[in-house]
Amino acid sequence: NAGVTQTPKFRILKIGQSMTLQCTQDMNHNYMYWYRQDPGMGLKLIYYSVGAGITDKGEVPNGYNVSRSTTEDFPLRLELAAPSQTSVYFCASSYSSTGGMYEQYFGPGTRLTVT
Amino acid sequence: GQNIDQPTEMTATEGAIVQINCTYQTSGFNGLFWYQQHAGEAPTFLSYNVLDGLEEKGRFSSFLSRSKGYSYLLLKELQMKDSASYLCAVRPTDKLIFGTGTRLQVFP
Repeated sequence: NAGVTQTPKFRILKIGQSMTLQCTQDMNHNYMYWYRQDPGMGLKLIYYSVGAGITDKGEVPNGYNVSRSTTEDFPLRLELAAPSQTSVYFCASSYSSTGGMYEQYFGPGTRLTVT
Repeated sequence: GQNIDQPTEMTATEGAIVQINCTYQTSGFNGLFWYQQHAGEAPTFLSYNVLDGLEEKGRFSSFLSRSKGYSYLLLKELQMKDSASYLCAVRPTDKLIFGTGTRLQVFP
């Protein structure tokens, strides 16, 4: 199992450009999440999905969009990049059932700089 | 509102024991997680508590008191490789709310 994979690892964007951060998991997890982590800070939830076709906003969704057309993939779209979106982005997945939620598995992260 | 508090930084000596505290105020509680994050890497899962008491896993233990909104992570026999950030996260509903993390530095 590759676990959670993210591409690209690094990216530099100019202000106003757009891009998609890719995330794929091969563990058949129903839940997937996108977080951002600013230097010295904790993780802030951007969007999450409880299954294919279902997405919901987290704490900091402005400036981002997501889709979940398959169980495996959960891409994050940045439209009109701004310097405030300079951060490290982590994708995560977990299995959840009526018995409880299991731990989240994280991808290696994408380091994005907007200048 | 949702609030999770942890100390920002701690230092300890190799071979010692360190306790990292976490207090929380959330609208709902369905479990508390501890994650370890080395610099420049992704967080990795350490422990999960949903009932009061102590969960032990090798050198690491985690304690929960739901009535006090309090948890701690106990690291024994510290090693240099334990230098990392430790993130406390609470699950009020379907999502996790993370604290800002405690950066632990272990010195020889």
